[in-house]
Amino acid sequence: DTGVSQDPRHKITKRGQNVTFRCDPISEHNRLYWYRQTLGQGPEFLTYFQNEAQLEKSRLLSDRFSAERPKGSFSTLEIQRTEQGDSAMYLCASSPFLSSYEQYFGPGTRLTVT
Amino acid sequence: QQPVQSPQAVILREGEDAVINCSSSKALYSVHWYRQKHGEAPVFLMILLKGGEQKGHDKISASFNEKKQQSSLYLTASQLSYSGTYFCGTVGGTSYGKLTFGQGTILTVHP
Repeated sequence: DTGVSQDPRHKITKRGQNVTFRCDPISEHNRLYWYRQTLGQGPEFLTYFQNEAQLEKSRLLSDRFSAERPKGSFSTLEIQRTEQGDSAMYLCASSPFLSSYEQYFGPGTRLTVT
Repeated sequence: QQPVQSPQAVILREGEDAVINCSSSKALYSVHWYRQKHGEAPVFLMILLKGGEQKGHDKISASFNEKKQQSSLYLTASQLSYSGTYFCGTVGGTSYGKLTFGQGTILTVHP
């Protein structure tokens, strides 16, 4: 069983450009989460899906961010009109539908906005 | 609300023990512990569900005091590989999906 994978691993973009990240969860995990982590901080919740339904979205997430999980498998996170403050590690995690909700993280996508 | 971890940093020699604490002001359903090495993703260590259980494997164990909404991670006979940043993540309140992470505890183990 392979782990959570994310693509790309690194992305450098200019301010104002749009970027899209992909996450492939562990197979048969029906929950998928997106987090953002900046240097020296713990991961910060962005949003999560159960199958294809987006169940919760952080209030901190501006309308420039959108996430989808169209077929309940992989997910994409898009950031429109990137700003320098968006520079961070974007982490994806998945969990099986168990009462414990334990989450397994992917390697992350490091975004640098210049 | 973000859980509070203490201490912020710990420096050990190989073979020494350490305790990392995690406190929350809200009622918790579960506490999750992760270790993250520089430039890598957080690695799941263990989860504790409400009920005050204690868990462990190898030389790393943890407890969860439901009444105090506190969890502690115990590392015994530390090894060089234990170095990294330890995060507790909590699930509770009205959301049973997302993890709310503490600010992390940096653990450094020297030979």
